[in-house]
Amino acid sequence: QVQLQESGPGLVKPSETLSLICTVSGGSISSYYWSWIRQPPGKGLEWIGYIYYSGSTNYNPSLKSRVTISVDVSKSQFSLKLNSVTTADTALYYCARGRDGYDLWGQGTLVTVSS
Amino acid sequence: DIQMTQSPSSLSASVGDRVTITCRASQRTTNYLNWYQLKPGKAPNLLIYGASTLQSGVPSRFSGSGSGTDFTLTISSLQPEDFATYYCQQSYSIPPTFGGGTKVEIK
Repeated sequence: QVQLQESGPGLVKPSETLSLICTVSGGSISSYYWSWIRQPPGKGLEWIGYIYYSGSTNYNPSLKSRVTISVDVSKSQFSLKLNSVTTADTALYYCARGRDGYDLWGQGTLVTVSS
Repeated sequence: DIQMTQSPSSLSASVGDRVTITCRASQRTTNYLNWYQLKPGKAPNLLIYGASTLQSGVPSRFSGSGSGTDFTLTISSLQPEDFATYYCQQSYSIPPTFGGGTKVEIK
């Protein structure tokens, strides 16, 4: 069955760029929307943004100035870049399938922002 | 942004209990409301979409209801594997927003 797996550094320094990849296995990345969602420790879920397999994107206005989501269909991957991070960006980052409702999720990867 | 408010934030219940979680939106979302189950270390699970439609593979003891601004998730007979945190999410407008979560603990 289709599975999602997040990967990337678990520790990022303040002011640097957080970079994560989500690999889609067992199915096609085409014809779907793909999203990033995060959960700071002890807090609720926050939608970061989505990308369509063709490359069109939409971002949360609260993060829009710092976020880039891209897709590589040939590798069945989509990625997240969040620049100028602060400790407030420490969170469990999930990738998920869907634009505004998410029927498939990765297990999440914890990213800590610390010097 | 549409604010989603869940209640209670936590509850204690026993196996076999009927559990009800409520979610209120700050604006009308018609039936664009989804429910998720989260467990530590596991991929989150979509339970209900469109306020009341059961996602494929989800046990029938889960049900959702409501429309407009007030929604409910009900577990008719709590099972050991249901101890988790539940979140509602509106998909009516961008950005999609989530409730604060309801943690269901063992009594």
